[in-house]
Amino acid sequence: QVQLQESGPGLVKPSETLSLTCNVSGDSIQSYYWSWIRQPPGKGLEWIGNIYYSGSTNYNPSLKSRVTMSVDASKSQFSLKLSSVTAADTAVYYCARKIMAVGPIDSWGQGTLVTVSS
Amino acid sequence: DIQMTQSPSTLSASVGDRVMITCRASQSISTWLAWYQQKPGKAPKLLIYKASSLEDGVPSRFSGSGSGTEFTLTISSLQPDDFATYYCQQYNSDSQTFGHGTKVEVK
Repeated sequence: QVQLQESGPGLVKPSETLSLTCNVSGDSIQSYYWSWIRQPPGKGLEWIGNIYYSGSTNYNPSLKSRVTMSVDASKSQFSLKLSSVTAADTAVYYCARKIMAVGPIDSWGQGTLVTVSS
Repeated sequence: DIQMTQSPSTLSASVGDRVMITCRASQSISTWLAWYQQKPGKAPKLLIYKASSLEDGVPSRFSGSGSGTEFTLTISSLQPDDFATYYCQQYNSDSQTFGHGTKVEVK
């Protein structure tokens, strides 16, 4: 059974870059699609983007100019970078897995709270 | 972008009630729709995919229906463990979107 664990700073200053990593264990990172989703405190879910193990990506159009996702198959990790953050980027960030390109999210990490504040 | 509209935003119900939550897509998504359950402080959990397919291990009191732009999640007999927030998600397009959620609370 796949397990996903987010890691990264819990506090980021405005205008800086948020960086998170998701460690994948219990299954291969290959042949799957990997996602980032966020949830501001008390609000709903927002899809950030997907990355295939080969490195191909697609991003939420509203965040596309600030998002970069990458994958390191040798470490069974994938990563998220979100640049020029503001307080509106404060959220719980989840990493997750999709089995197919056109498919639901079947596994989630526990989530990590990132606060944007000076 | 495809927009997903859920209703109601809050639903008050009692144990044993039949509960229905609706999700509407701004354009046709065939049956590329999933339903998730989320409890406070926890990650969402997949309940239904492809509009009506029950994820392994999910109780049969949960069911999904619909196609095109109109979808429904039904809980046939609400149990104490079912008080939570439910989200629909379309995954038809490269850009996936969630509904804003429906909180099922104790009446």
